[in-house]
Amino acid sequence: DGGITQSPKYLFRKEGQNVTLSCEQNLNHDAMYWYRQDPGQGLRLIYYSQIVNDFQKGDIAEGYSVSREKKESFPLTVTSAQKNPTAFYLCASSISDSHIYKQYFGPGTRLTVT
Amino acid sequence: GENVEQHPSTLSVQEGDSAVIKCTYSDSASNYFPWYKQELGKRPQLIIDIRSNVGEKKDQRIAVTLNKTAKHFSLHITETQPEDSAVYFCAASGGSNYKLTFGKGTLLTVNP
Repeated sequence: DGGITQSPKYLFRKEGQNVTLSCEQNLNHDAMYWYRQDPGQGLRLIYYSQIVNDFQKGDIAEGYSVSREKKESFPLTVTSAQKNPTAFYLCASSISDSHIYKQYFGPGTRLTVT
Repeated sequence: GENVEQHPSTLSVQEGDSAVIKCTYSDSASNYFPWYKQELGKRPQLIIDIRSNVGEKKDQRIAVTLNKTAKHFSLHITETQPEDSAVYFCAASGGSNYKLTFGKGTLLTVNP
């Protein structure tokens, strides 16, 4: 887990502004993920990427965008189109273990938009 | 897609008692079922997992059981301690090796 970093830990933005959340991993993991966590809602998948230069929408991709230009990095942009962006955002990465991809999480970024 | 239901949403036990959290899943293609523990303000930590070709797995005080026919799996914690207090999430892989679908979590409180 220590090999997955997210910055910053807390982020504050004004409504209408785009904001980019950082996620870096030095574990040589192939796949990376972004989740959103709200109280009582569990973890909901925003986007995931299996390999560099490729990514897929998760269950709640509207209002978010990602890029995967390097294996180590998977930044998430929260756009002004996201209607309720205040949440705890978790990045994860995974590597195959006999064809099962075990996911490990970063420390998270708590985004507050006012 | 996969749907995971988790019960109960809150669970309070006395120190030393056992705790059981149950999850059901919808996609019969699911073959991987991890459990995560999340302490307040921290990241979820993978604590135990089970694959569909195994019915039970144990790691010290923690065990997970899987019933593929009924599509449910459970987390069992024995001899609970105050440090077991956290939110626990179950998840299922659905038909994908890459993705997980999570339950909504169970807040476990162990009272000293």
